[in-house]
Amino acid sequence: EAQVTQNPRYLITVTGKKLTVTCSQNMNHEYMSWYRQDPGLGLRQIYYSMNVEVTDKGDVPEGYKVSRKEKRNFPLILESPSPNQTSLYFCASSLGQGASGYTFGSGTRLTVV
Amino acid sequence: QKEVEQNSGPLSVPEGAIASLNCTYSDRGSQSFFWYRQYSGKSPELIMSIYSNGDKEDGRFTAQLNKASQYVSLLIRDSQPSDSATYLCAVKTPGTYKYIFGTGTRLKVLA
Repeated sequence: EAQVTQNPRYLITVTGKKLTVTCSQNMNHEYMSWYRQDPGLGLRQIYYSMNVEVTDKGDVPEGYKVSRKEKRNFPLILESPSPNQTSLYFCASSLGQGASGYTFGSGTRLTVV
Repeated sequence: QKEVEQNSGPLSVPEGAIASLNCTYSDRGSQSFFWYRQYSGKSPELIMSIYSNGDKEDGRFTAQLNKASQYVSLLIRDSQPSDSATYLCAVKTPGTYKYIFGTGTRLKVLA
C-alpha cells in the first residue's frame, strides 16, 4: 500500500529534550515536506526537500532541523523543544511536479511541557 | 491579506443538496490548485487538483477555477453526512515547491 508513515503518533516531552519524528514514504516520491497544524492558523510549512541532500526552509523553520540522506526518509528534529512547538505535525510527499498533490502521513501530536 | 483565504464556516447544508466551497488566492501567477478533505483528528486527503480555467469533474465533486478573478471553488453534489469535514484549499507558489494552504472551511451535512 502506498503510504507515508510517521512515528510516533503521540508524544509528550519536556522542554529542552531533543526529539526526532520519523517520516518514511514508499512511493519513490522526490518531494517531501513537514507541516504543522494549529487551530486558526491552518497548515504551515516547516521544511521541504526536493530530493536527497536538498532541503529548504518553509514558512516556520525556527527551532527545527531536517535531513534527507535517503529518498524515502525525511526526519524532523527538534533539538531543544519549547512549549510553543506543541502542535500537530504532518509529513507529506509528492512526485514533485507542478501537477502533483500531497500524500500525507497520519500525523504526530506533540506536546511539550 | 492572506495568501490563500477560505471562509472558516461552518457551512451547513441538508443531505442531498449541493455544497459550494470557495477559496481566493493572492498570487496571480499561481497555476496549480488543490482541494483536500480533512476529517476531525485525521490527516488531509487529496480530493481534486485543477490547473486550467473552467470546471473539472470527478464523481460528485467539481472543481472550478477562475484565474482572472483568482478564485477556485469546490462543489459537492448530493451531499452526504459522510462529507462532513474540513475542506482545505492549497495553491502551489509558482516557480517553487511551496504549497500554501488556506485555513479550511468546515462543512456540516445535516441528515
